[in-house]
Amino acid sequence: DAGVTQSPTHLIKTRGQQVTLRCSPKSGHDTVSWYQQALGQGPQFIFQYYEEEERQRGNFPDRFSGHQFPNYSSELNVNALLLGDSALYLCASSLGVGGLVNEQFFGPGTRLTVL
Amino acid sequence: SQQGEEDPQALSIQEGENATMNCSYKTSINNLQWYRQNSGRGLVHLILIRSNEREKHSGRLRVTLDTSKKSSSLLITASRAADTASYFCAPGSSNTGKLIFGQGTTLQVKP
Repeated sequence: DAGVTQSPTHLIKTRGQQVTLRCSPKSGHDTVSWYQQALGQGPQFIFQYYEEEERQRGNFPDRFSGHQFPNYSSELNVNALLLGDSALYLCASSLGVGGLVNEQFFGPGTRLTVL
Repeated sequence: SQQGEEDPQALSIQEGENATMNCSYKTSINNLQWYRQNSGRGLVHLILIRSNEREKHSGRLRVTLDTSKKSSSLLITASRAADTASYFCAPGSSNTGKLIFGQGTTLQVKP
């Protein structure tokens, strides 16, 4: 039973560029959440996808967008990259049940460096 | 806010000692979850305690929840060097449907 997988593992981009990160949820899970974690900080909630729709969103600008596919996998897109976007991006999957926040399974993350 | 606030920010103990971390939050919750993160890696779910539970055990972990004080504690007994990690609490509320993490407690267990 594969856990949550993310790709790529590491990524280096320059300011102004665009990036796409990918996530495959744990088998049987239908909800995907994305988090940004700056060095020394806790994960910050970006948004959550369920049934191919964005259900919840944190305090992130519109430069951050996402998508969920029919197979429940998800993408995080960031446009017009800023130096401050450098962080570990974590994907977490869970089983969405009536809006309750259930146990989330995290992937290993994608380390994004913006130069 | 729903965010959990962990205390202390850093904790250093000797192998074999117990480690206690605390978490406070401000809103009503359905559950509270604890996660561990080894350096630069993904978070690992440790334990979920529901709002109608007061204590829960999992191996060397013991979690308590006091909803009247809006606080929780995580106790790791007989700590090991491998327990060295950051620990985060995340209050969960169906009102928001999402987890909000604090800055965590960094635990160092010295061999």
